[in-house]
Amino acid sequence: DGGITQSPKYLFRKEGQNVTLSCEQNLNHDAMYWYRQDPGQGLRLIYYSQIVNDFQKGDIAEGYSVSREKKESFPLTVTSAQKNPTAFYLCASSIRGQGAVLHYNEQFFGPGTRLTVL
Amino acid sequence: GQQLNQSPQSMFIQEGEDVSMNCTSSSIFNTWLWYKQEPGEGPVLLIALYKAGELTSNGRLTAQFGITRKDSFLNISASIPSDVGIYLCAGMRGSQGNLIFGKGTKLSVKP
Repeated sequence: DGGITQSPKYLFRKEGQNVTLSCEQNLNHDAMYWYRQDPGQGLRLIYYSQIVNDFQKGDIAEGYSVSREKKESFPLTVTSAQKNPTAFYLCASSIRGQGAVLHYNEQFFGPGTRLTVL
Repeated sequence: GQQLNQSPQSMFIQEGEDVSMNCTSSSIFNTWLWYKQEPGEGPVLLIALYKAGELTSNGRLTAQFGITRKDSFLNISASIPSDVGIYLCAGMRGSQGNLIFGKGTKLSVKP
């Protein structure tokens, strides 16, 4: 059963602590993405990776870090430098991150992780 | 970053009614995607559009790629209670770049 998994579903952390959110896909997709969703706002891109061992900052990368050591995994660390970390975090993947075959850019999402910082 | 304008922000309709919503941008896009998101879940891709004027259906859902390339429309016919959720549009400029998302249209259906 192919898909994208995110764990855990709910995460609670104390202010000042770093926390890592997991994202795994078995779709053999090259590109992976992290978004943040806040009430009343559209999805905002945090980081993306078009290939293993390479990643790029999105629109709101400050206070976050990522790694892409394996094709199927793209973990996101929310650091203590992120001023408002409480949010719903969504991971997505696509066959490719760019290219002439447009449908390769279709992004498929995981179920999300709700992070609450107390 | 840029965001798309979706309207209406919310809709309250009676079961059986048809629904129309749209998404507009100041920029030209060559890809439009429509997603549905239920509370506490990730968005699910409903329809993808790649050509100006294209009309694509998925069951009771029909989406159109506007001929100006700056807008897209989603229609739901004969709504049912399970249509409830937030409908998100997303667009991409060119073949290299990231998706830009709208804030969503929240649909509520009264049985």
